[in-house]
Amino acid sequence: NAGVTQTPKFQVLKTGQSMTLQCAQDMNHEYMSWYRQDPGMGLRLIHYSVGAGITDQGEVPNGYNVSRSTTEDFPLRLLSAAPSQTSVYFCASSYTTGGLAGANVLTFGAGSRLTVL
Amino acid sequence: AQSVSQHNHHVILSEAASLELGCNYSYGGTVNLFWYVQYPGQHLQLLLKYFSGDPLVKGIKGFEAEFIKSKFSFNLRKPSVQWSDTAEYFCAVAPHTGGFKTIFGAGTRLFVKA
Repeated sequence: NAGVTQTPKFQVLKTGQSMTLQCAQDMNHEYMSWYRQDPGMGLRLIHYSVGAGITDQGEVPNGYNVSRSTTEDFPLRLLSAAPSQTSVYFCASSYTTGGLAGANVLTFGAGSRLTVL
Repeated sequence: AQSVSQHNHHVILSEAASLELGCNYSYGGTVNLFWYVQYPGQHLQLLLKYFSGDPLVKGIKGFEAEFIKSKFSFNLRKPSVQWSDTAEYFCAVAPHTGGFKTIFGAGTRLFVKA
């Protein structure tokens, strides 16, 4: 049971380049999300998904794009990288109990450290 | 909108000292509350959670937290810290029903001197 797997672990980009951070989970979790972690700012929610085909914006969505074509995968795309997007990115997932269920415990990936020059 | 405020960004304690980390939240409804911990070089993991019931919840490694609804607070406590508690601690808030969006505070870096 791998849990939440993120790739790559490290990436260096030049300003203006695009790239995709991959996230996959094997726990059949419906809820998946992306956070960025910056010193002194904690984890800020970028985008999240409550199931295949359903995505929504978090606190800091600008410059990022997501899609959820399968339950397992939730890639994060940087459309045109900027130095302000230098950060550590975490993918997290949780199961839901359906209906009017609320949030549950998140399982996190190991993180992807991105540097934009 | 949800928001979380953690009062201390950096805390330095000696071993055996008591710990209390403050957390206040803002949300217009019933909440689920969490404390997560990130040990050096490790994944973020759950320390403890409150969904309903007894407002005093116990987690792993001797940590506990008290939910005070009237103060919108969920402070984390440990009576006697150890060097191995050196880590970054995050408070988080999420809807109790009808949603899953989990919002985190800025985190508190705890350093415990041996």
